[in-house]
Amino acid sequence: EAQVTQNPRYLITVTGKKLTVTCSQNMNHEYMSWYRQDPGLGLRQIYYSMNVEVTDKGDVPEGYKVSRKEKRNFPLILESPSPNQTSLYFCASSFLAGSSTDTQYFGPGTRLTVL
Amino acid sequence: DQQVKQNSPSLSVQEGRISILNCDYTNSMFDYFLWYKKYPAEGPTFLISISSIKDKNEDGRFTVFLNKSAKHLSLHIVPSQPGDSAVYFCAAKGVYNFNKFYFGSGTKLNVKP
Repeated sequence: EAQVTQNPRYLITVTGKKLTVTCSQNMNHEYMSWYRQDPGLGLRQIYYSMNVEVTDKGDVPEGYKVSRKEKRNFPLILESPSPNQTSLYFCASSFLAGSSTDTQYFGPGTRLTVL
Repeated sequence: DQQVKQNSPSLSVQEGRISILNCDYTNSMFDYFLWYKKYPAEGPTFLISISSIKDKNEDGRFTVFLNKSAKHLSLHIVPSQPGDSAVYFCAAKGVYNFNKFYFGSGTKLNVKP
């Protein structure tokens, strides 16, 4: 089944404790992206990747890191999480990078709470 | 400042009637617009899209209208069904970078049986 998977689905952590949220897609998609969803703000793009070893900042990259060492995986790293990073996170992928008409497939989301 | 805005946080409609969800944008360089639907505890799923060279796109019960001069788009669902109850997000991307997506804050649609 074609899908985007994220792990963990739920995570409660404490300020400053490094964490990684994994994202994997099995559709051989070039493009992958991370979003956070907050009430009243909708989905905001954190980082995106056009292909292996090619990443760029979205609208809200501060406090986050990403890597794209393999085409299928795009982990989101919080080196020193803070309470304002408490949010619902979505990973997404699409077939082509830079396509005007390509749409995105989203993972099920990761709810992160930073105490 | 949000470049894509959905000013109605919620909308309630009777089953069988029309649902109209609205979206405004501020950036005239946006070239492609999409609607996503999201159920609780799931990721958004693509619903319908429209290019800036068109003013209307239809897919079954769903129609998206684009008014470029007003920087406004709307999603019409006819007839509305209880299974359409979800949060709907409007999104846009621009000619200068098709890799960056801008989403609205969402409208929660409730279709009453």
